Amino acid sequence: EVQLVESGGGLPQPGGSLRLSCATSGFTFSSYDMTWVRQAPGKGLEWVSGIRASGESTFYTDSAKGRFTISRDNSKNTLHLQMNSLRAEDTAVYYCVKGLRIPDDWGQGTLVTVSS
Amino acid sequence: DVVMTQSPLSLPVTLGQPASISCRSSQGLVYSDGNTFLNWFQQRPGQSPRRLIFMVSKRDSGVPDRFSGSGSGTDFTLKISRVEAEDVGVYYCMQGTHFPFTFGPGTIVDIK
Repeated sequence: EVQLVESGGGLPQPGGSLRLSCATSGFTFSSYDMTWVRQAPGKGLEWVSGIRASGESTFYTDSAKGRFTISRDNSKNTLHLQMNSLRAEDTAVYYCVKGLRIPDDWGQGTLVTVSS
Repeated sequence: DVVMTQSPLSLPVTLGQPASISCRSSQGLVYSDGNTFLNWFQQRPGQSPRRLIFMVSKRDSGVPDRFSGSGSGTDFTLKISRVEAEDVGVYYCMQGTHFPFTFGPGTIVDIK
């Protein structure tokens, strides 16, 4: 069974940083592209960032470019999202998703609330 | 960026009746390899999203056959042949062809 377990959410201040992690199991992590999607409270889904299976290529939405960095550790089956210069509008549940062009399995999400 | 629009944004339905959601993209979604990466997700209240349909019309394992996807180019449709109570939730289309990938705004399906 595929499992995706996000962690690292919290209550950073505006301008602060946070590192999200996604521990995976139940599939060959190193063979799959991965994605981060977020959902602001009461709002829709927003694609944030993606990474190829090898880690060599990364992709970002415009609002994440220059502030967020997606990475992966294929030896530990773990996906990360380093978030810097956080803004109030980054407040959301962040989901780790298996796949890129045709994402399938989703984690339960981790809540990030940017507030002073 | 590719803008995804959905209509309607709210869809009250009668149990047992059909429902249809339209999704339109601001650009064609055919990738250079000939595939069209248009996916549909269902998000039930309080749950993570779940994929129903990928590549326009391929239904995921375990998804009831009352769900079907169709379309091409920039116009796509998700149909539910007979709505059941468990279908209540928000439905999103998502394009995986042009970076950055984008979701539609969502269609809220509830029971009349």
